[in-house]
Amino acid sequence: EAGVTQSPTHLIKTRGQQATLRCSPISGHTSVYWYQQALGLGLQFLLWYDEGEERNRGNFPPRFSGRQFPNYSSELNVNALELEDSALYLCASTLQGWGYEQYFGPGTRLTVT
Amino acid sequence: SQQGEEDPQALSIQEGENATMNCSYKTSINNLQWYRQNSGRGLVHLILIRSNEREKHSGRLRVTLDTSKKSSSLLITASRAADTASYFCATDVKGNEKLTFGTGTRLTIIP
Repeated sequence: EAGVTQSPTHLIKTRGQQATLRCSPISGHTSVYWYQQALGLGLQFLLWYDEGEERNRGNFPPRFSGRQFPNYSSELNVNALELEDSALYLCASTLQGWGYEQYFGPGTRLTVT
Repeated sequence: SQQGEEDPQALSIQEGENATMNCSYKTSINNLQWYRQNSGRGLVHLILIRSNEREKHSGRLRVTLDTSKKSSSLLITASRAADTASYFCATDVKGNEKLTFGTGTRLTIIP
């Protein structure tokens, strides 16, 4: 069974640009979570999508947004990039009702210059 | 803010020794999980313990949960070089379906 996949692996953008990160969950998983792991700050919860709807959001500005498609894959968009957005962005998926055990993808390393 | 705080921040032990990491949290939880992260990669789920459980085992891993002290510990027995990684605890609160991660313990196993 294929795991959670994320693309691209690395992304380099300049300040002010927009970044789009993609995630495909494990087949059968309907929930997708996004996390930001910046150096020295640990993992911070960004967004949770389930059945195409945004269900919960972390303490991030509105320029962090996303969506979930009918096939449960998800996209994270970061507008007006700032230097401090440089981080590893991790996507995870869960099968609802399984006690929140999350399966993580390998991450997208975003560098803003 | 981080719900969980791991202790110690870094730990170095000889291969074959046991490693113990601790996690403390602030509010009542639904579940507590432990994850491992190898250098800059995705996280791997290790074990989930529910708030009504006190101890759980999985292979060389043993997790305890003390809800009265709001703390958990992860014991890795007979450590191996491949156990070198960062270990995070993560908690969720009933009615708020997100995981809040701790700050992590960096474990180094010396061959």
